[in-house]
Amino acid sequence: DTGVSQDPRHKITKRGQNVTFRCDPISEHNRLYWYRQTLGQGPEFLTYFQNEAQLEKSRLLSDRFSAERPKGSFSTLEIQRTEQGDSAMYLCASSATTGLTDTQYFGPGTRLTVL
Amino acid sequence: AQSVTQLDSHVSVSEGTPVLLRCNYSSSYSPSLFWYVQHPNKGLQLLLKYTSAATLVKGINGFEAEFKKSETSFHLTKPSAHMSDAAEYFCVVSATYNQGGKLIFGQGTELSVKP
Repeated sequence: DTGVSQDPRHKITKRGQNVTFRCDPISEHNRLYWYRQTLGQGPEFLTYFQNEAQLEKSRLLSDRFSAERPKGSFSTLEIQRTEQGDSAMYLCASSATTGLTDTQYFGPGTRLTVL
Repeated sequence: AQSVTQLDSHVSVSEGTPVLLRCNYSSSYSPSLFWYVQHPNKGLQLLLKYTSAATLVKGINGFEAEFKKSETSFHLTKPSAHMSDAAEYFCVVSATYNQGGKLIFGQGTELSVKP
């Protein structure tokens, strides 16, 4: 396995701009998760997909956030009209549903800075 | 609802001495518990996981954790710290399978290792 990859690794944008991040999971992992991590905190769940279906969204995911996984492979997370409070590390993880407890493997993250 | 509490935000040890990172959990059912490590500018790496098999779980790099139901604890230990162990450590509980298995992270414990 090549691991979970995320692109870009860093993004600096101005307030009000739209940004899009991409996550490529481990091949054949059917579950894909997005988390957000702010400085000094543990990651917080945002949303997850099983194949192409988005099964749950956190209340943290405001209307300005949208995530897709159109073919059940890679996923994108878009933030519209960015705000300074969106500055964080956005983490992607994937897992294979092999039993009661999946092991999630994380990508390196995309660090977003909103000026 | 499930939750984890990491009792120390920062732990400092000398190289070659034991490491103890403390974690308490709250869950209304038998939980799945994990420890992840995050080195600076690197992704989250799974150290070990507990899924209701043996209560003493061995992980990578000499780490182990013991699940104690009576104390609702899942402390992480290592007999002898190495400089390379310096990182942020997260205690994590998993939501149930039918809730998507999303992970709930503690606040993290920063481990410093002095030469």
